[in-house]
Amino acid sequence: EAQVTQNPRYLITVTGKKLTVTCSQNMNHEYMSWYRQDPGLGLRQIYYSMNVEVTDKGDVPEGYKVSRKEKRNFPLILESPSPNQTSLYFCASSTPRDGGGYTFGSGTRLTVV
Amino acid sequence: DQQVKQNSPSLSVQEGRISILNCDYTNSMFDYFLWYKKYPAEGPTFLISISSIKDKNEDGRFTVFLNKSAKHLSLHIVPSQPGDSAVYFCAAAYSGAGSYQLTFGKGTKLSVIP
Repeated sequence: EAQVTQNPRYLITVTGKKLTVTCSQNMNHEYMSWYRQDPGLGLRQIYYSMNVEVTDKGDVPEGYKVSRKEKRNFPLILESPSPNQTSLYFCASSTPRDGGGYTFGSGTRLTVV
Repeated sequence: DQQVKQNSPSLSVQEGRISILNCDYTNSMFDYFLWYKKYPAEGPTFLISISSIKDKNEDGRFTVFLNKSAKHLSLHIVPSQPGDSAVYFCAAAYSGAGSYQLTFGKGTKLSVIP
């Protein structure tokens, strides 16, 4: 089954403790992206990657890092999480052959206390 | 500056009637538009899209209309069903940069009343 898999689904952590949210896709997609969803703000892009070793900032990159060492994986790293990063995070992937329609993962609900 | 706007946070429609969800955009470089549907506790799922070279695209009960001069698009759902109750996101992309970077609106919550 074609899918984007994120882990974990839920995470509660403390301020300053480094964490990684993993994302993997099995569709051989070139593009991958991370979004966060907050009430009243919709979906905002954090980082995106057009292919292996090619990453760039989205609209809200502060406090986040990403890497794209393999085509299928695109982890999101929070080096020193803060409470304002409490949010619902989505990973997504796409290919130009699909006309731009991103496939999203099921989401990771992160709470930073 | 919000480039994609969904001005109605919510919409209620009777089952069997038409649902019309609206979206406006400000960036004239956008040339590809998409609608996503999102249920609680799930990721958004792609619904329908339209290229700027068209003014209408239809897929079953879902039709998207694009008015480039007004920088406006709309999603029509006919007939509406209770299972259509979800949050709908409009998204726009500029393909000229070599990638499809999606800019999303804030979403409209549709409630279809049985």
